[in-house]
Parts: sequence; C-alpha cells; structure tokens
Amino acid sequence: AIQLTQSPSSLSASVGDRVTITCRASQGISSALAWYQQKPGKAPNLLIYDASNLESGVPSRFSGSGSGTDFTLTISSLQPEDFATYYCQQFNSYPPLTFGGGTKVEIK
Amino acid sequence: VQLVESGGGLVQPGGSLRLSCVASGFPVRTNYMSWVRQAPGKGLEWVSVIYSGGNTYYADSVKGRFTISRNNSKNTLYLQMNSLKTEDTAVYYCARAVKCGGACYNYWGQGTLVTVSS
Repeated sequence: AIQLTQSPSSLSASVGDRVTITCRASQGISSALAWYQQKPGKAPNLLIYDASNLESGVPSRFSGSGSGTDFTLTISSLQPEDFATYYCQQFNSYPPLTFGGGTKVEIK
Repeated sequence: VQLVESGGGLVQPGGSLRLSCVASGFPVRTNYMSWVRQAPGKGLEWVSVIYSGGNTYYADSVKGRFTISRNNSKNTLYLQMNSLKTEDTAVYYCARAVKCGGACYNYWGQGTLVTVSS
C-alpha cells in the first residue's frame, strides 16, 4: 500500500499567517491526492481534490499543488475557523485508499 | 444529502456488531459507499468500500472479519463486524465518494463510536 507522510505533525500559527503543509507519497501517485479538514468531534470535510482543484464552497485562501510524490496544502491567510487537523489522501492505487497521519494547526 | 449512522456501542473482544448508515437525498445503489474509521486521538483509516456494481473491498486489518453490504430498498449501508478486537475501537464514519472517480469523500455521516473492551 502507498504510504503518505505529512509534515509537520503539528504547527502553531497566528491569524493572518501563511501556512504550508506537505504530504509525501512513498511512490508516485500523479495528481491523485485530496486534502481534508477535520474539526474536533466532527467528520472530515473535503477541501481539495486532484491535488489542486478546490471543492465547491471552500474558501479561495485554500490551495493545493504538487504531483508525483510531493504535495502541498497552503492557507494563504489563516482565519480563526481554520484551526483544525488536515489530512491528505491518495487514490492513485487502491484499494486500499490511504490517508496521511494528519497535521494539527493550533493557535499561537 | 444526509448520512446517519447507528449501531455503535460497547462490545467485548470476540463479539459482533452491525453498523447501519441510512442515506437520504441520493440512491446508495448507484454510488461508491465506504466506511472510514478513526481511533481515539488518531488519524483516519479507510475500512471498506462497496461499488455501485456490488464489488467490495477491505483493508487488510479487517479482511475476513468485516462485511460491507447495502439494502437498496431501505437505502441503507451496513458494516457487519465480527471477531472484534480492542484495536477496532474507533468512531466509524460512512461516506459517499463522488469526486475523483468515486475515491474522494464529499459526504460524511456524523460517525458512530464502537468500543471493544472487556
């Protein structure tokens, strides 16, 4: 199964900061990557699919990039509602679908 | 579109449990439906999928113990869990995949907690 490694596992940032989260795949997955946001006690919410496509209704401050093995989720200006845990997920080779370990974004 | 899970609870190791996910707003039979779980304080783990054609697939960690199925007339997804282990303790989400050729989850239920403990 393809392994996904996210970094960092957690970060502290302030409102207005630019935040970057990376996801590295154990083998090339083309652009078959999605990003989710999860808040405590809630189900995940799809943000980005096909590495760089913004899901309908998701604010434009979120963006995704990358292909092959290295991917990035960027929040251009962190807002209070963005404090959450973020997961990447690959769908190039499945089953099984696999998720990264998560990145928790906390308030500095 | 709504997904509502039920059936979670406390069960002893070796026991069984059946989770249900009632869908509304779309037909389960024509969609790719999955179960994804999350152990307390841990990340997301894909568990199983049933495709519109009826093919099913499982994570290695549950293969041979869990069975995914659906009832088209009730528009409901199920997960039959047998021979439960303590490591199966998690919140179980049902999810509908529409984007990415049926591999990215646009819709999720609220989750149901399964606790395996003696």
